[in-house]
Amino acid sequence: DAGITQSPRHKVTETGTPVTLRCHQTENHRYMYWYRQDPGHGLRLIHYSYGVKDTDKGEVSDGYSVSRSKTEDFLLTLESATSSQTSVYFCAIGSGGDNYGYTFGSGTRLTVV
Amino acid sequence: ELKVEQNPLFLSMQEGKNYTIYCNYSTTSDRLYWYRQDPGKSLESLFVLLSNGAVKQEGRLMASLDTKARLSTLHITAAVHDLSATYFCAVDSNYQLIWGAGTKLIIKP
Repeated sequence: DAGITQSPRHKVTETGTPVTLRCHQTENHRYMYWYRQDPGHGLRLIHYSYGVKDTDKGEVSDGYSVSRSKTEDFLLTLESATSSQTSVYFCAIGSGGDNYGYTFGSGTRLTVV
Repeated sequence: ELKVEQNPLFLSMQEGKNYTIYCNYSTTSDRLYWYRQDPGKSLESLFVLLSNGAVKQEGRLMASLDTKARLSTLHITAAVHDLSATYFCAVDSNYQLIWGAGTKLIIKP
């Protein structure tokens, strides 16, 4: 596999609590992404990073923040979790334009109760 | 706003049949990807299409891209049960992937 791992794999948390999801890559790739997947919506981009400390918002960034202090780690934080943030979260690496495309982690299933 | 539409969203077919999944998108892009997802699993890259007229084949699956029509197709030849999965297309727009809603494919033995 491409060397991208997500943790935790599953998490149940209460409304209003902060939650941090971690994505770790061993490919030294510049670009990293956080997506959420909900039934009927495909995947939607939350935030992405184009280098250490360089991040930008995606389509559904409200309620989420990210940090990237090292090339290999990209963290997604839900400052105050809400039930609407119950979803499956995928991290990805890649920049397109080559035959490798984008590679995805195994996902984190987050339930906010 | 870039939109990506897949159809059909659900397809049930018999083994041995042929079928095509369509992916239309609303803006210019010459990068399109097809992924497969099994229930509860991650996304597996199937095809990377990087130019107009690109055609790629792997086993019983063939994907093509027509950037002028803003259309990509994923053709399944002589379907087998193991191809049952959800298939997604995604269009690359400035390093961001915009996804179709997915086509859930069920192939009956």
